[in-house]
Amino acid sequence: QVELRESGPGLVEPSQTLSLICSVSGDSISSGNHWWSWVRQSPGTGLEWIGYIYYDGRAGYKSSLKSRLTISVDPSRNQYSLRLTSMTAADTGVYYCARRFGSGVHTDWFDFWGQGVLVTVSS
Amino acid sequence: DIQMTQSPSSLSASVGDRVTLTCQASQDIMKYLNWYQQKPGKAPKLLIHGVYNLEAGVPSRFSGSGSGTYFTFTITSLQPEDVATYYCQHYRELPLTFGGGTKVEI
Repeated sequence: QVELRESGPGLVEPSQTLSLICSVSGDSISSGNHWWSWVRQSPGTGLEWIGYIYYDGRAGYKSSLKSRLTISVDPSRNQYSLRLTSMTAADTGVYYCARRFGSGVHTDWFDFWGQGVLVTVSS
Repeated sequence: DIQMTQSPSSLSASVGDRVTLTCQASQDIMKYLNWYQQKPGKAPKLLIHGVYNLEAGVPSRFSGSGSGTYFTFTITSLQPEDVATYYCQHYRELPLTFGGGTKVEI
């Protein structure tokens, strides 16, 4: 069974950087069969796709976050990560990692999700 | 960005009722639409991809239809375990976006 698990701090100070890791089990990132995603959810903006990454490092980002966002992958550890700089209260929410079903065009549905990690931006 | 609008935002129905939710896209998304179910404190769960393709293990009382800009999601006989918020998501282009959700109560 495919499992994803997010890890990282639950509290980030304003203007600081959020770093989260998603650890994958039951599937191999290096298989190249999927893209690996981040989705966040907040009361204000609902569910929001942030970006995703392929095993070879190719990534797609939401354009409004692109200047602050880096998604990277470590196939040897079967992990991928998110780094979001200059955090503000608007970035508060639950961050999920999720597996995109396929690697081809128009296969963008998320079939496995982590349990989510609540990130609060506050001093 | 393509905007996804769901209606109603919430509804209350009885066990056994037929329930229909709608999702409208701000532009033509062809058949690139998914539906998720989210229960409180849990991650979303994929129910349907590509408008009408039911995921393995999802009860057949769930179904989807539509194309272009107007889509519907139907529960033919509402069960207590269906209490959740339902979200649509398009994948016509990046960025992928979700609707605001419809909360279904009994």
